[in-house]
Amino acid sequence: DIQMTQSPSSLSASVGDRVTITCQASQDISNYLNWYQQKPGKAPKLLIYDASNLETGVPSRFSGSGSGTDFTFTISSLQPEDIATYYCQQYDNLPQYTFGQGTKLEIK
Amino acid sequence: QVQLQESGPGLVKPSQTLSLTCTVSGGSISSGSYYWSWIRQPAGKGLEWIGRIYTSGSTNYNPSLKSRVTISVDTSKNQFSLKLSSVTAADTAVYYCARDGRASDPWGQGTLVTVSS
Repeated sequence: DIQMTQSPSSLSASVGDRVTITCQASQDISNYLNWYQQKPGKAPKLLIYDASNLETGVPSRFSGSGSGTDFTFTISSLQPEDIATYYCQQYDNLPQYTFGQGTKLEIK
Repeated sequence: QVQLQESGPGLVKPSQTLSLTCTVSGGSISSGSYYWSWIRQPAGKGLEWIGRIYTSGSTNYNPSLKSRVTISVDTSKNQFSLKLSSVTAADTAVYYCARDGRASDPWGQGTLVTVSS
C-alpha cells in the first residue's frame, strides 16, 4: 500500500502569512493527489484535485503543486476562516485511497 | 446538485454488525462514472478510507477491514450501504459517505457510531 507522509502535523501562523503544507507519497503517484479542508464538526471539503487544480468556488489563495512523490499545498495569505485541518489523499493506487495524517492549522 | 445523507443506528453493541445507509439526492446514483465510498474518522483522529462500490456492484475495500466489510448498492432507492461486522470499540467513529470520481466529493455530513454495551 502507498503511505502518505504529511507535514507538519500542526502549524501556527498569523493572518496574512503564507502557509505551506507538504505531502510525500511512498511511491510515484503521478498527479493523483487531492487536498481537503476540514473544519470542526464538518465533513471534509475538496479544495484541490489532481495536485494543482482548484475546485470550483474555492478562493484563489489556495494552490497546490507537485507530481510523483512530493506535493505542496499553499495558502498565499492566511485568513481567519482558513483555520481547519488539511488532508492530502492519493487516489492513484488501490486497494485503498490513503489519506495523510492531517495538518491542524491555527492562528498565532 | 448531488447531496448525500448517512443514516443508521448511533449505538452498536460489541461483536454486532454496524449497518449504515447513504441516500443520494439531486441526481441518480447510476449516472456518470462514479464510485460511491465510505470513509470514517475516530474522534480527534484522521480519515480512514473504508471502501467503495460502483453501480455495477464492483467493490474495493481497505485491506485492513476487508474481512469485516460489505458495501452494497440499491439503485432503485438511490442508496448504498455499509455493513461492518464484529465491531469493537475501535470502530467508534464518525462515518461519512462520499461520491468518488477524481476525488471524494461531495460528502455526507457524517454520522457518529458508538460501539458500546
